[in-house]
Amino acid sequence: GAGVSQSPSNKVTEKGKDVELRCDPISGHTALYWYRQSLGQGLEFLIYFQGNSAPDKSGLPSDRFSAERTGGSVSTLTIQRTQQEDSAVYLCASSHDRNVNYGYTFGSGTRLTVV
Amino acid sequence: DAKTTQPNSMESNEEEPVHLPCNHSTISGTDYIHWYRQLPSQGPEYVIHGLTSNVNNRMASLAIAEDRKSSTLILHRATLRDAAVYYCILRAGGTSYGKLTFGQGTILTVHP
Repeated sequence: GAGVSQSPSNKVTEKGKDVELRCDPISGHTALYWYRQSLGQGLEFLIYFQGNSAPDKSGLPSDRFSAERTGGSVSTLTIQRTQQEDSAVYLCASSHDRNVNYGYTFGSGTRLTVV
Repeated sequence: DAKTTQPNSMESNEEEPVHLPCNHSTISGTDYIHWYRQLPSQGPEYVIHGLTSNVNNRMASLAIAEDRKSSTLILHRATLRDAAVYYCILRAGGTSYGKLTFGQGTILTVHP
């Protein structure tokens, strides 16, 4: 596709359940990023994948959060045993490569609500 | 990451120019200045970036101070669709890479 695709667009889950969020980056983009944005707040970095390098997981808030990127393309963010404070919009972005001159392209996000 | 400082909010009238300032006094010689904006209920979108020279594209212009400690994003004629949060971000150049760190940004309100 022409842009970054995220699914589902909305997810409501019960506290304690596991959820998986999917991101399809732009074809050929080697870098992929996950951010989250709580209501009325700025973007919080979660994790970053670059090619075959080990991911930068420094933003993951707890060990309940994990992400993988298969075949250098699609990425899945998994949240285990969801808590109400996990409610947020989860945004995925991709970029062409590590060259600083390439901007990020963001998806429209997945709105996660934990009830 | 070097820090940027932006006003919390600004207002403009439709069809008037808007100058959004950003201070980055601790910028290093290899840091690029990037601007993104986030429209309501959307993910951020890239606007423009620069290193030392002023830059123009179809969306906006970027004016960079000679000492690079500040920059200004210029929207030449604001429209209602330009109402958004505007983020000024420094990104390391050279061979380093990594995440963009978003601050709180400037909320731009455009009045009809």
